[in-house]
Amino acid sequence: AQKITQTQPGMFVQEKEAVTLDCTYDTSDPSYGLFWYKQPSSGEMIFLIYQGSYDQQNATEGRYSLNFQKARKSANLVISASQLGDSAMYFCAMRSPGFQKLVFGTGTRLLVSP
Amino acid sequence: NAGVTQTPKFQVLKTGQSMTLQCAQDMNHEYMSWYRQDPGMGLRLIHYSVGAGITDQGEVPNGYNVSRSTTEDFPLRLLSAAPSQTSVYFCASTRQAYNEQFFGPGTRLTVL
Repeated sequence: AQKITQTQPGMFVQEKEAVTLDCTYDTSDPSYGLFWYKQPSSGEMIFLIYQGSYDQQNATEGRYSLNFQKARKSANLVISASQLGDSAMYFCAMRSPGFQKLVFGTGTRLLVSP
Repeated sequence: NAGVTQTPKFQVLKTGQSMTLQCAQDMNHEYMSWYRQDPGMGLRLIHYSVGAGITDQGEVPNGYNVSRSTTEDFPLRLLSAAPSQTSVYFCASTRQAYNEQFFGPGTRLTVL
């Protein structure tokens, strides 16, 4: 069975600093995808970044990068130069191969202070 | 292009009532899914569909039914609502070649 673990229920960071949100995963499938979603207080789910299990390089999307360490089964999200608008819940998720189903972690609430 | 739409946005039911949460997408996506979000538990998959006429159970299917008669629509039915079904429900869609799942805005359901 696939499992996503996010051990940080809450994180605090000052504006303009970088922050790392942790995510570890467990799967026996050799092919999988890892995702990060942002959920602001308004409730919508916003896709941030994707990493495939066979991708050689870490994914990057603007200020977001994914620190993918396959041997350690970790897929941490790094947000550089935090902004006040980054305050939100962040969910790590894994896609099982062959189907577009996602398994989510319990999330990390990030608070960015001025 | 409306993306994924869900109706209603809010709903209050009494225990034992039935209702259908609507989900529609206009992107011709094969895959559609329903998730529920409860505090401290992330999103959990209820049911999913890989195409019209094909549905399957997810992690927490009990108390819910789905059908997929068209590519565009994927309604979620609660036959006899229970307080344990109080949650926020998200519908999502995607295509096999895509990495991103597109989520609807969610339906907040309260069962009294």
